[in-house]
Amino acid sequence: QVTLKESGPVLVKPTETLTLTCTVSGFSLSNARMGVSWIRQPPGKALEWLAHIFSNDEKSYSTSLKSRLTISKDTSKSQVVLTMTNMDPVDTATYYCARIYGMIVVEEGAFDIWGQGTMVTVSS
Amino acid sequence: SYVLTQPPSVSVAPGQTARITCGGNNIGSKSVHWYQQKPGQAPVLVVYDDSDRPSGIPERFSGSNSGNTATLTISRVEAGDEADYYCQVWDSSSDHHVFGTGTKVTVL
Repeated sequence: QVTLKESGPVLVKPTETLTLTCTVSGFSLSNARMGVSWIRQPPGKALEWLAHIFSNDEKSYSTSLKSRLTISKDTSKSQVVLTMTNMDPVDTATYYCARIYGMIVVEEGAFDIWGQGTMVTVSS
Repeated sequence: SYVLTQPPSVSVAPGQTARITCGGNNIGSKSVHWYQQKPGQAPVLVVYDDSDRPSGIPERFSGSNSGNTATLTISRVEAGDEADYYCQVWDSSSDHHVFGTGTKVTVL
């Protein structure tokens, strides 16, 4: 069974750095047809893609947040980590990690499995 | 940056057909994926690669994509289909994944 699970703080203060961990099971982060993305959703708003990472360590970031984001993976631990610096109340959202699965061009693949999400509130 | 536009809401009576559009520049050249999100839950993939369904998704969910519009069609709508729906593509020019603005489907 393929699962992803997000973990991290529920509450962070403004200007702090957020570190979220996505622990995956049922597949390997070294699989060339798969990758992992982070996606967030502020309360009552739409989904927003943040970053992705693939088996060859190729990474991409949302243009608007690129300066604040870092994504990395530890294949041996089956974990993908996202850090976001200089947190602000507008960053309050549910943060999801999701698997990308693409048969031919992996980047074109769909987010076929999602974690349950973790709600992060930014407040002093 | 690439933009995907969806109608904010669609209302449909039980048993009827709901069509949700997703507009984007030459979206017909891209692979479009659709997600269903019920309140308090994570999104679920319902259609991938324009028109394929993951296992476990009813045949009532179908998709098409041509020109500047992709469409998710829900046939024989049921009360349980009430949810937010999002389209999504990968924009190769920016190496970014892009989500649509989302459509709330209300079953009357």
